[in-house]
Amino acid sequence: DIQMTQSPSTLSASVGDRVTITCRASQSIRTWLAWYQQKPGKAPNLLIYKASSLESGVPSRFSGSGSGTEFTLTISSLQPDDFATYYCQQCNGYPCSFGQGTKLEIK
Amino acid sequence: QVQLVESGGGVVQPGESLTLSCTTSEFRSDGINWVRQAPGKGLEWVAFIWYDGSNKYYADSVKGRFTISRDKLKSTVYLQMNSLTAEDTAVYYCARDHGDYASDSWGQGTRVTVSS
Repeated sequence: DIQMTQSPSTLSASVGDRVTITCRASQSIRTWLAWYQQKPGKAPNLLIYKASSLESGVPSRFSGSGSGTEFTLTISSLQPDDFATYYCQQCNGYPCSFGQGTKLEIK
Repeated sequence: QVQLVESGGGVVQPGESLTLSCTTSEFRSDGINWVRQAPGKGLEWVAFIWYDGSNKYYADSVKGRFTISRDKLKSTVYLQMNSLTAEDTAVYYCARDHGDYASDSWGQGTRVTVSS
């Protein structure tokens, strides 16, 4: 099974900062990677699919890149609403798997 | 967006069974995932069923104990969970597959607690 490793586990940043979260796969997943945002007590919200495609309605400050085993989620200018936990998920065949999450905190 | 509503969660004892339901607002040719989240933990993918029920996949942690199925007439997907243990305690979400192996619509979740 494919293991997903996110880094960092926690990230402290300020409004207006540019931040990057990394996700590494234990083997190639081509571009079958999605990014989700989750706030406490809520269901996850899809941000990016197929590594770099922005989901409809998601602000353009979110972007994704990568292929194979290394991927990044970038938020170009943090807004107050962006402080949340972020997960990557691979689904290059089943079983799918999630990264362990990155909690984005206010500095 | 498609609306999904989970139901069927509750408190059960170890070894018991429980069946969760996920009702969608409309029948579409969509696959449905179940994803769970243990208290204070991250997301864990659990199972997937193709739109016509022809293909089903499971996480190793639930294979042989959980069964996913769907009733197209009722626009409902089920997750039958047997031989439950404390490690199955979690909020269970159903989510619609986007078509590119991502989930774009999620239910609100239903809580399952396995405790003696």
